[in-house]
Amino acid sequence: EDQVTQSPEALRLQEGESSSLNCSYTVSGLRGLFWYRQDPGKGPEFLFTLYSAGEEKEKERLKATLTKKESFLHITAPKPEDSATYLCAVQEASGSARQLTFGSGTQLTVLP
Amino acid sequence: EPEVTQTPSHQVTQMGQEVILRCVPISNHLYFYWYRQILGQKVEFLVSFYNNEISEKSEIFDDQFSVERPDGSNFTLKIRSTKLEDSAMYFCASSRDHYGYTFGSGTRLTVV
Repeated sequence: EDQVTQSPEALRLQEGESSSLNCSYTVSGLRGLFWYRQDPGKGPEFLFTLYSAGEEKEKERLKATLTKKESFLHITAPKPEDSATYLCAVQEASGSARQLTFGSGTQLTVLP
Repeated sequence: EPEVTQTPSHQVTQMGQEVILRCVPISNHLYFYWYRQILGQKVEFLVSFYNNEISEKSEIFDDQFSVERPDGSNFTLKIRSTKLEDSAMYFCASSRDHYGYTFGSGTRLTVV
């Protein structure tokens, strides 16, 4: 069973059309939930870390929220340069474990 | 902004050969990681390294793989006797603590 599930797999938006990406997770204890942006052929670029339910973080047109079972990445009035794959990853609160478990990502395309 | 640097960006090797992928983590970071991403699949954890020893490794990280920090700046991943299924993007990452991973741009390994 997947620990991290992202939806939708792909999303096409018109410039300015706001939407949300979902990341649901099933871990026994969460140390942190991470959002990354990945451009083709590049490494993941850090966006946010969320630690506890109710927490929210914002950066430009992006806002990440966290509940006990899922996280949302809200994109407000997106621009074509926001086109990328958005990855969600969880870090379990298990001893000294630091590994991240990634979801499959949501491929976002913003059309001008 | 500090970066994680990976070399080479692309490596082509023949099946059965050994390859060494190199990484220069951010200078004040203490934890080092290797992840890989097979084309079209999730980013997968391979190994974490702290205080000159492996702290965690996944099932993927078998005897074919080894890591080393040969000096104060480099962190390497060695793959012995490469197989076709080792073809992937390999990402190095570093962190100062449990959080805030920074990934490099990756090495694309192609085994022919």
